[in-house]
Amino acid sequence: EPEVTQTPSHQVTQMGQEVILRCVPISNHLYFYWYRQILGQKVEFLVSFYNNEISEKSEIFDDQFSVERPDGSNFTLKIRSTKLEDSAMYFCASSSGSLRGAFFGQGTRLTVV
Amino acid sequence: SQELEQSPQSLIVQEGKNLTINCTSSKTLYGLYWYKQKYGEGLIFLMMLQKGGEEKSHEKITAKLDEKKQQSSLHITASQPSHAGIYLCGAGPNDYKLSFGAGTTVTVRA
Repeated sequence: EPEVTQTPSHQVTQMGQEVILRCVPISNHLYFYWYRQILGQKVEFLVSFYNNEISEKSEIFDDQFSVERPDGSNFTLKIRSTKLEDSAMYFCASSSGSLRGAFFGQGTRLTVV
Repeated sequence: SQELEQSPQSLIVQEGKNLTINCTSSKTLYGLYWYKQKYGEGLIFLMMLQKGGEEKSHEKITAKLDEKKQQSSLHITASQPSHAGIYLCGAGPNDYKLSFGAGTTVTVRA
C-alpha cells in the first residue's frame, strides 16, 4: 500500500542550527502539507503546498520556516535557526485532491537542545 | 480557527464491548475527518464525512455526521486490542488546513 515516508525519524539539533526534514509523498498525490505536534498538545497545521507553491500557511509558519519540492518526489521543510520551542513531532501529509483525505507519514521527532 | 472538542478524553473498554467517541465543532462542519494515532507515531486516515447525516463504516468502525449539531460520533463495535490508540477528529474547509481535536485515548482490556 502506498505510504508517505519521512526521514529522519529522529533528529537532535543544537539551538540556532538549521534543519531539513524530508518527506516522500504518495506518488500520484498533488497536495502536500506539514503539520506538527508538540508533546502532549494537538496536531497543528503548518503549511500546504500545491502546484509548486504555498497554498496556505498558519501563523506558526513564519520566516524561520520554508518548504520546497526540489524534484518530482521529495518535499522538504527547512527550519532556520532552530529554537527550543521548535521541538516537536513534524508530520508530512499528502492527498490526491480536496476532500479526499490526507495521508500522514510516521513523523520526524525533532529535539532542539 | 475551528475548535474541536472530543469526549471522552480517554476510555477503557473490555474486549468485545462497544464504544463511542464524540467530536463537537465550534463552527460549521464542511468535512469531518477521523484519524487514529498510536503514541509517538503517525496518523492513520480512517474516514471522512462530508454531508449531514452521512454515515460511513470501515470494518467495525462506524462514523456519523450530524451537521445541525456540528457533531460527529465514532462507534467501534466489539472492540479488539487492535483498536487501542488515540482517535483524533479533524475538520476544516478542505483537506489540508485541518484543525484537530485533542484526541481520545482508547485502551482495550483483554
